[in-house]
Amino acid sequence: GAVVSQHPSWVICKSGTSVKIECRSLDFQATTMFWYRQFPKQSLMLMATSNEGSKATYEQGVEKDKFLINHASLTLSTLTVTSAHPEDSSFYICSAMDRSAGANVLTFGAGSRLTVL
Amino acid sequence: AQKVTQAQTEISVVEKEDVTLDCVYETRDTTYYLFWYKQPPSGELVFLIRRNSFDEQNEISGRYSWNFQKSTSSFNFTITASQVVDSAVYFCALSDLEVSSSNTGKLIFGQGTTLQVKP
Repeated sequence: GAVVSQHPSWVICKSGTSVKIECRSLDFQATTMFWYRQFPKQSLMLMATSNEGSKATYEQGVEKDKFLINHASLTLSTLTVTSAHPEDSSFYICSAMDRSAGANVLTFGAGSRLTVL
Repeated sequence: AQKVTQAQTEISVVEKEDVTLDCVYETRDTTYYLFWYKQPPSGELVFLIRRNSFDEQNEISGRYSWNFQKSTSSFNFTITASQVVDSAVYFCALSDLEVSSSNTGKLIFGQGTTLQVKP
């Protein structure tokens, strides 16, 4: 089945630094990928929709200059948390849509846990 | 606006008990998809089921069963003879039916229900 690889699975960084998280579709092409954020014991909140070859669409309240998304190829989307602060500490999860698997069936990555000191 | 409500925050059962996780949704769309995902402690989301709004037949897969009732906007999930490995957070989600230029197919998640199955 469709597999989405997310890297790194966890990262600790100092406040003020930038962190890049990668999301790859391993055995299918994904023109659309989604980035979610999950705080402890809370639901997944959609941050942005990443479209290959075009600008990402951000949800209301998500700072696009803070969370940079790049979807340069059909198998890779990256999320860069710029100038990270402790309040950015969260679990970030990406997902990709494998159209061959049926409309709207998303495959999720294993998530990346970011801790900003 | 679309919304998914999972009123049960946490449920605790003893192994072999049956348990039902509730999901109520709101949408103005006449066609849509409903999903259930499982999130074990490792964090990865595992797809369990997708049901489109045209199909109200109940579905059974092993110990799992789903009851979709459009009249009450509910899509409940039952685990029969629960096992310790069923312990996880379960999310119900909603999305548009067709992916098009105006619809990206993004999912709207409920708050999640934490299920603890004790031995």
